[in-house]
Amino acid sequence: AQSVAQPEDQVNVAEGNPLTVKCTYSVSGNPYLFWYVQYPNRGLQFLLKYITGDNLVKGSYGFEAEFNKSQTSFHLKKPSALVSDSALYFCAVRDNVGYQKVTFGTGTKLQVIP
Amino acid sequence: NAGVTQTPKFRVLKTGQSMTLLCAQDMNHEYMYWYRQDPGMGLRLIHYSVGEGTTAKGEVPDGYNVSRLKKQNFLLGLESAAPSQTSVYFCASSRDRVESPLHFGNGTRLTVT
Repeated sequence: AQSVAQPEDQVNVAEGNPLTVKCTYSVSGNPYLFWYVQYPNRGLQFLLKYITGDNLVKGSYGFEAEFNKSQTSFHLKKPSALVSDSALYFCAVRDNVGYQKVTFGTGTKLQVIP
Repeated sequence: NAGVTQTPKFRVLKTGQSMTLLCAQDMNHEYMYWYRQDPGMGLRLIHYSVGEGTTAKGEVPDGYNVSRLKKQNFLLGLESAAPSQTSVYFCASSRDRVESPLHFGNGTRLTVT
């Protein structure tokens, strides 16, 4: 069975500093990995994905993520945090069989401090 | 460009009452999903559909029913609401491709007293 772990419930970072939100995964085949962001009282919005190819993928709002197969990790990064980046971030893995089940992590709250 | 639309946005029910949550998507997506979001538990899949006229159970289906009579609509029903069903409910849709992201509605906040 596939699974996703986000080890940090909350990450605090000062505005202008780099940020990292951690994610590790477990799948039986090739990983299809996604990051989503959720702002208050809104649904989740797609940020970026890894399907194949370069280990560093770029997404919306200046975010990028680094895929590491040996460590089964897919950490979300941004070189310089903005206060407006404060939100809830979810890592997800999608199965490649059947109905392509999507499994979400429990989410990490990012707080960017002015 | 509406995307995924959920109605209502908020609802308060008494224990034992019933209601239907409506989800509509205008992206011609094959797959549709209903999730519930509870603090500290992430998103849990209630039911899903891989096409018009099809539905299937997800991780937490008990107490819910669904229907997908038209491709663009996915309805979630609560036959007899319980306080444990107090949650935020999200509908999502996607293409039938593993690389396709899910598109979410803005949620329905349901309180059962």
